[in-house]
Amino acid sequence: EAQVTQNPRYLITVTGKKLTVTCSQNMNHEYMSWYRQDPGLGLRQIYYSMNVEVTDKGDVPEGYKVSRKEKRNFPLILESPSPNQTSLYFCASSSPGLGDEQYFGPGTRLTVT
Amino acid sequence: AQSVAQPEDQVNVAEGNPLTVKCTYSVSGNPYLFWYVQYPNRGLQFLLKYITGDNLVKGSYGFEAEFNKSQTSFHLKKPSALVSDSALYFCAVRATSGGSYIPTFGRGTSLIVHP
Repeated sequence: EAQVTQNPRYLITVTGKKLTVTCSQNMNHEYMSWYRQDPGLGLRQIYYSMNVEVTDKGDVPEGYKVSRKEKRNFPLILESPSPNQTSLYFCASSSPGLGDEQYFGPGTRLTVT
Repeated sequence: AQSVAQPEDQVNVAEGNPLTVKCTYSVSGNPYLFWYVQYPNRGLQFLLKYITGDNLVKGSYGFEAEFNKSQTSFHLKKPSALVSDSALYFCAVRATSGGSYIPTFGRGTSLIVHP
């Protein structure tokens, strides 16, 4: 089954404790991206990657890091989480074909206290 | 730069009535346009897209959208709403050439269908 998986689905952590949210896709997609969803702000892009070892900042990259060492994986790293990073996070992937839609993971709800 | 506006935070409609969820966009050149739906506690699901050709695009669950280039709009429509259509709807735009190939999303519109 074609899918994007994220882990963990739920995470409660404390300020400053490094964490990683994993994202993996099994569709051989070149493009992957991370979004955060906040009430009233909709979906905002954090980082994206157009291929292995190629990443770029989205609209709200501060406080986040990503890496793309393999085509299927695109982890999101919070080196020193802060309460304003409490949010719902989505990973998505797509192929570079003309007008191809994105496939989204189920989301990770992160709470930073 | 590319952007999307969804002017309504919430749309209320009675079951059986037609529904419209509005979207306008801004992009350099020609756009690819998308609609996604998000049900509670779920990720976004693709509904439909406009690439080129016919301005009326048909998608999943009886939804359709009309591309209007002069008004830079891509409104989502359905002739007869169902209670199960209640969800959060996102419009997205992406340029057909140049720049980022990752789409930009609107803020979302909450659709509430009343029995």
